Amino acid sequence: EVQLVESGGGLVQPGGSLRLSCVASGFTFSDYAMSWVRQAPGKGPEWVSAISGTGAYTSYVDSVKGRFTISRDSSKNTLFLQMRSLRAEDTALYYCARHYSGSYYDLWFDPWGHGTLVIVSS
Amino acid sequence: DIQMTQSPSSLSASVGDRVAITCRASQSISRSLNWYQQKPGKAPKLLIYAASSLLSGVPSRFSGSGSGTDFTLTINSLQPDDFATYYCQQSSAGPTFGGGTKVEIK
Repeated sequence: EVQLVESGGGLVQPGGSLRLSCVASGFTFSDYAMSWVRQAPGKGPEWVSAISGTGAYTSYVDSVKGRFTISRDSSKNTLFLQMRSLRAEDTALYYCARHYSGSYYDLWFDPWGHGTLVIVSS
Repeated sequence: DIQMTQSPSSLSASVGDRVAITCRASQSISRSLNWYQQKPGKAPKLLIYAASSLLSGVPSRFSGSGSGTDFTLTINSLQPDDFATYYCQQSSAGPTFGGGTKVEIK
């Protein structure tokens, strides 16, 4: 069974940093591109970042460019999102999601993890 | 950014009804349109990708159509398990999601 389990969320002050992790199991991790998608309370999802299966290619939504860094460690089947200079508008439930087809360029996602909550507040 | 507009934002329907949810893109996205179902407290689940391709395991009462800027998700014979919020998402460039359509029990 494919499983994605996120961790690392929490309460952080504006300007602070957090590192999210997503441990994958049930599939060959390096064969699949992965994305982070966030969802603010009561809002629709927002794609944040994607990374190719090898890690060679990455992309970001404009609002996080220069602040967030996506990476992966295939030896640990783990996806990361390093978040810096956090703002109140980054408050959301952060999901990791597998690219359904495996391709970095096919930006539709399934499955998703259960999410980890990030709250940016003083 | 490509903006995605869903309508209606909510609807009430009965078990057995046929339901249609529309999604409009701010510019042509060919057939790069995907549909998700989300239940309260759960992550979204992919139902349909590339406008009309049904994910394996998704009931055949779900169908998708459209191309260019206008798309439709249709649920034939609504079942109790289908009451949820549905989102469209474009994957043409810098993926973006619609605002959602909540399907409630009448």
